[in-house]
Amino acid sequence: QVQLVQSGTEVKKPGASMKVSCQASGYTFTGYHIHWVRQAPGQRLEWMGWINPSSGGTNYAQKFQGRITMTRDTSIRTAYMELSRLRSDDTAVYYCARVYCSSPSCYYDYWGQGTLVTVSS
Amino acid sequence: EIVLTQSPGTLSLSPGERATLSCRASQSVSNSYLVWYQQKPGQAPRLLIYGASIRATGIPDRFSGSGSGTDFTLSISRLEPEDFAVYFCQQYGYLPLTFGQGTRLDIK
Repeated sequence: QVQLVQSGTEVKKPGASMKVSCQASGYTFTGYHIHWVRQAPGQRLEWMGWINPSSGGTNYAQKFQGRITMTRDTSIRTAYMELSRLRSDDTAVYYCARVYCSSPSCYYDYWGQGTLVTVSS
Repeated sequence: EIVLTQSPGTLSLSPGERATLSCRASQSVSNSYLVWYQQKPGQAPRLLIYGASIRATGIPDRFSGSGSGTDFTLSISRLEPEDFAVYFCQQYGYLPLTFGQGTRLDIK
């Protein structure tokens, strides 16, 4: 069955970087885009960007441009999201999600379990 | 950026009742691009409806979606205990992708 398994909880200092992993199983990793979405306490879900695991191509939300990097390692079916220069308002649960498209609609059909990242001095 | 506004913020109903949740977009969204998710505490969101009205695999037929343009609705015909959760809408058609702030469905 399809699964996305994310890395564990992290605590970071302001100014540091974080890197969350998302390991896929149960499907062809290179066949589906992976998106990253975060949910800060009491806030709505926020789209951060996507990576095409096949080509490595990315598209980032403008809000994160310059401090976000999404990569993948196809040999271990894992996508990564790195966010630098962390601030306290980056405290959130970070999710990876697989995109499925049934033309013309696309949607997240599988999600990782979420990774809590706390930024605090 | 398309802003999605959901109402009400909280809906308190009893099992067996009908729930109607609204998602309003700041500009027109193609039906094809409107998605609904359910989220329970401590869990990742779960896909319910895509294309505004198409139930995802395994979703009971008491869930239905409708709407067009800027106004979309998620209806739950007869609430079951497991339906009490937070519901989000999302538009997938225009970057940046955006979500509504959620409607919390509470047991009355």
